[in-house]
Amino acid sequence: DTGVSQNPRHKITKRGQNVTFRCDPISEHNRLYWYRQTLGQGPEFLTYFQNEAQLEKSRLLSDRFSAERPKGSFSTLEIQRTEQGDSAMYLCASSLVSGTPNSPLHFGNGTRLTVT
Amino acid sequence: DAKTTQPTSMDCAEGRAANLPCNHSTISGNEYVYWYRQIHSQGPQYIIHGLKNNETNEMASLIITEDRKSSTLILPHATLRDTAVYYCIVRGGTASKLTFGTGTRLQVTL
Repeated sequence: DTGVSQNPRHKITKRGQNVTFRCDPISEHNRLYWYRQTLGQGPEFLTYFQNEAQLEKSRLLSDRFSAERPKGSFSTLEIQRTEQGDSAMYLCASSLVSGTPNSPLHFGNGTRLTVT
Repeated sequence: DAKTTQPTSMDCAEGRAANLPCNHSTISGNEYVYWYRQIHSQGPQYIIHGLKNNETNEMASLIITEDRKSSTLILPHATLRDTAVYYCIVRGGTASKLTFGTGTRLQVTL
């Protein structure tokens, strides 16, 4: 399978704990995105990287959230001191940006976080 | 990026064409129209995108009006597996992210 891979698929944690999610993009894709989706809503943009550089962050990305892409390949999203409002599906996507404008984003199947 | 308007839900009989409309009256000249769909418990799946010409691929056809203020995604022979939420998104020519709305819930029935 050469698609975007996210781990774990499900995570249940207690309020106040830290959690970390991993995303492996499609090989050679230079852009990587994180989105969050709550029930009944469309995905909401959180942040994106081009190679290892984090180029944009949404105001949804509070100080408790941090994302990294240390070598321009896989990425991690960490949430510190989780709150019940953090319960959501966290989606990762990747794209290849080269000479052609508007390359589609390809999404993984997400990590579903439940904070109890 | 321009805002889009889609019906909340639609039904389609299996084997018939599903025509999903989208209004984007404030679209700019360099903005593309993208369509994604999301089947329950999965991530969004890319379907098709276009600028001003009609586009067709193995999944669907995209018809964009001449003034580009609206478009229609056509699934030529809908199956039960096409039941999903369909998102129409307008994305700037040099933009990076996609901005999703709430989409159209398509229910394909026997």
